[in-house]
Amino acid sequence: QSVLTQPPSLSGAPGQRVTISCSWSSSNIGALYDIHWYQQLPGKAPKLLIFNNNNRPSGVPDRFSGSRSATSASLAITGLQAEDEADYYCQSSDSSLSPSRVFGGGTKLTVL
Amino acid sequence: EVHLVESGGGLVQPGRSLRLSCVASGFTFEDYAMHWVRQAPGKGLEWVSGITWNSGSLGYADSVKGRFTISRDNARNSLYLQIHSLTPEDTAFYYCAKDLGTYYDSPAYFDYWGQGALVTVSS
Repeated sequence: QSVLTQPPSLSGAPGQRVTISCSWSSSNIGALYDIHWYQQLPGKAPKLLIFNNNNRPSGVPDRFSGSRSATSASLAITGLQAEDEADYYCQSSDSSLSPSRVFGGGTKLTVL
Repeated sequence: EVHLVESGGGLVQPGRSLRLSCVASGFTFEDYAMHWVRQAPGKGLEWVSGITWNSGSLGYADSVKGRFTISRDNARNSLYLQIHSLTPEDTAFYYCAKDLGTYYDSPAYFDYWGQGALVTVSS
């Protein structure tokens, strides 16, 4: 069971805005560092989508954005497209763990 | 352009050993920490092991400690994962992933991934 909790699944219609949450409890982790997001298209390897909470690598459309608060982070996708159907994972580092890198359980996004 | 290419996967009997390899190109391999991340069929991502740029420090997930050994050869731009005493629970895609920096356990992320090598453990 991951320290980072994501909804297992989510769906949206083309053109809609969807948000995927990644939450944690301050009672069962140490300091949680920046949140990063990965997109895994069907049958493909994960790809870095958002780093350091809200930064996009070169080539990632600005339809994807990230945000973070004290106990949760979100990945927002606007103007949903069919090619956005994928699994999305959040990842961070928990200072109470050694080694510290942790992933969320992943969210399967379905485009209706 | 960064490329990470894994090899060495396949069908293996329980209890046997296997070595995965990952050849890197498109960046200065010796300057970066590297990792192995696995994904069981239909499941999420699990960090397995990491190694600093100069092999000075290694780390393993508790689930594999004692059975997995990570290593690298900077002269060959290659990362390795030796797996012993394989069990069906080790069945997964194993991805090689590049770190942002030099130390595997810094609070950072995986900026490039290979296509994965499938390891199937079955009799």
